[in-house]
Amino acid sequence: EPEVTQTPSHQVTQMGQEVILRCVPISNHLYFYWYRQILGQKVEFLVSFYNNEISEKSEIFDDQFSVERPDGSNFTLKIRSTKLEDSAMYFCAGSGGSTDTQYFGPGTRLTVL
Amino acid sequence: AQTVTQSQPEMSVQEAETVTLSCTYDTSESDYYLFWYKQPPSRQMILVIRQEAYKQQNATENRFSVNFQKAAKSFSLKISDSQLGDAAMYFCAYRSYLFEIIFGKGTRLHILP
Repeated sequence: EPEVTQTPSHQVTQMGQEVILRCVPISNHLYFYWYRQILGQKVEFLVSFYNNEISEKSEIFDDQFSVERPDGSNFTLKIRSTKLEDSAMYFCAGSGGSTDTQYFGPGTRLTVL
Repeated sequence: AQTVTQSQPEMSVQEAETVTLSCTYDTSESDYYLFWYKQPPSRQMILVIRQEAYKQQNATENRFSVNFQKAAKSFSLKISDSQLGDAAMYFCAYRSYLFEIIFGKGTRLHILP
């Protein structure tokens, strides 16, 4: 059964550094999403992406964040200048259609020191 | 704004017994989707079950079933014949016509051998 994969599984970075989190969605999915989960808190929506454009974003997704699908397979989330409060688990998800179930990857644990 | 409430932070059930996890939500929409996701210690988000609001029939997936009460805005998950592998955090989630999935705070389920 196809799965969403994410790399790295754990990323440690210094405050102020840029990080790129990578996701390989299921091949026939067309809609892509990023969520984050700060330890002990709810899973929160960041952004949705379709047809090489952001379709929705939350208040969390400010100018420090960006997403792209550079090569038609990888889907990336970039944080330009990390802050301590960006430490969280970041989940990528994908769906085949706009109302289809979103399938999640295993997550990347980001630790900002 | 839509909200999802899970009033049971933790629950325990004896192996092979049945347990019900509660969830209520608030929305003014008539069409929406409801989900239960499971997050084991690996922290991967795994879809357990999905319910479309327009369907009156409760969704079932093997040992997992829901009790969807649209008028009461209630969406509980019943796990029959509980197994040790069911131990996890369970998130109730809601989605309208927007892409964003709104998650509850979760219920941690312990299975007692």
